[in-house]
Amino acid sequence: AQSVTQLDSQVPVFEEAPVELRCNYSSSVSVYLFWYVQYPNQGLQLLLKYLSGSTLVKGINGFEAEFNKSQTSFHLRKPSVHISDTAEYFCAVSDRTGNQFYFGTGTSLTVIP
Amino acid sequence: DAGVTQSPTHLIKTRGQQVTLRCSPKSGHDTVSWYQQALGQGPQFIFQYYEEEERQRGNFPDRFSGHQFPNYSSELNVNALLLGDSALYLCASSLVGPRTQYFGPGTRLTVL
Repeated sequence: AQSVTQLDSQVPVFEEAPVELRCNYSSSVSVYLFWYVQYPNQGLQLLLKYLSGSTLVKGINGFEAEFNKSQTSFHLRKPSVHISDTAEYFCAVSDRTGNQFYFGTGTSLTVIP
Repeated sequence: DAGVTQSPTHLIKTRGQQVTLRCSPKSGHDTVSWYQQALGQGPQFIFQYYEEEERQRGNFPDRFSGHQFPNYSSELNVNALLLGDSALYLCASSLVGPRTQYFGPGTRLTVL
């Protein structure tokens, strides 16, 4: 089985500052990795995914993440955040079958004007 | 192109009752997964359906059951509701295999 640890439950950051949301995973097999965003009272929206190839993945809304196999990490970054980025962010992992996704407990990003 | 839709949006039940939640997958998708998201937590995998069969199941009791119809839509049934079943229930659809899951807006279930 796989598991995901999101190291920060809450991250406050000022508008236009950079941000990094940390995610570590555990798995005995090769995995796929995902970041989802959840706005209040809504479902989850895919930000980006790593399936194979380049370890630097670019997603929507200016977000990117880097897969680091040796450190079993998949941290999410954005060079300059906006007020509209305030939301809950979830890191998820699945094995290569894709039958089951394991989610972290989420990181609440608050962008301060 | 409609995304994943779920009904109802909100639901209030009392302990011991039974509930059915519904999900229509994104057009072209054949696989449906259900998740439970308790307040302040990440989604927890309940089960996944493909070709009208349950392919994989998470760590949930038999009170949680499901069904997938020939048109790929799906239902989640929960029997003998407990207070702890109060949560946001999310449906996700995808193509079979290691593909991206697309989530619906969820059904908020409150058990009193």
